[in-house]
Amino acid sequence: EPEVTQTPSHQVTQMGQEVILRCVPISNHLYFYWYRQILGQKVEFLVSFYNNEISEKSEIFDDQFSVERPDGSNFTLKIRSTKLEDSAMYFCAAGAEQYFGPGTRLTVT
Amino acid sequence: GENVEQHPSTLSVQEGDSAVIKCTYSDSASNYFPWYKQELGKRPQLIIDIRSNVGEKKDQRIAVTLNKTAKHFSLHITETQPEDSAVYFCAASFGDNYGQNFVFGPGTRLSVLP
Repeated sequence: EPEVTQTPSHQVTQMGQEVILRCVPISNHLYFYWYRQILGQKVEFLVSFYNNEISEKSEIFDDQFSVERPDGSNFTLKIRSTKLEDSAMYFCAAGAEQYFGPGTRLTVT
Repeated sequence: GENVEQHPSTLSVQEGDSAVIKCTYSDSASNYFPWYKQELGKRPQLIIDIRSNVGEKKDQRIAVTLNKTAKHFSLHITETQPEDSAVYFCAASFGDNYGQNFVFGPGTRLSVLP
């Protein structure tokens, strides 16, 4: 199973600040996904990324969010002007079968 | 858009018994159905998947069945063990290419009692 790493494991930020979550797939993948999971709830799709472009995004993925693959390996999710309700686990997944990273716990205070 | 429902929300079984979790989907265009296991505080892990051109797939104690007509698919775990205790999520996606929107079910918390 290909390994996907994410940093940081836990991010605490103040409301209104910007955060950048990072995902590094070990194997060479073309497909990447970001999901979020509010504590105790289901996994929610945010965005998929293929060939350095957004392939599809959900209604959650509004102008507050953006994704990039700045250096051909790291895959980042930027959340601007964070809100309390952005507090959740954010998972990156890679590959067609979606191998999940360990997640970043985002806490907005 | 696609909507995935999952039942039951919680399931308790005795060790050694079988467990069945069912999911229904709304979009007949969906053609890929993975199942994920999520242990407490950990990432979801793909345990089995099925594509719409197949009716059943098995991997050791785990099997998945798909009924395209009825738009439902099920996860079957036989000879359950305490380490099977986790939250299980089904998902549905569509499209000829990957990178499509995966819609997850709300999850089933399975408890295997020793």
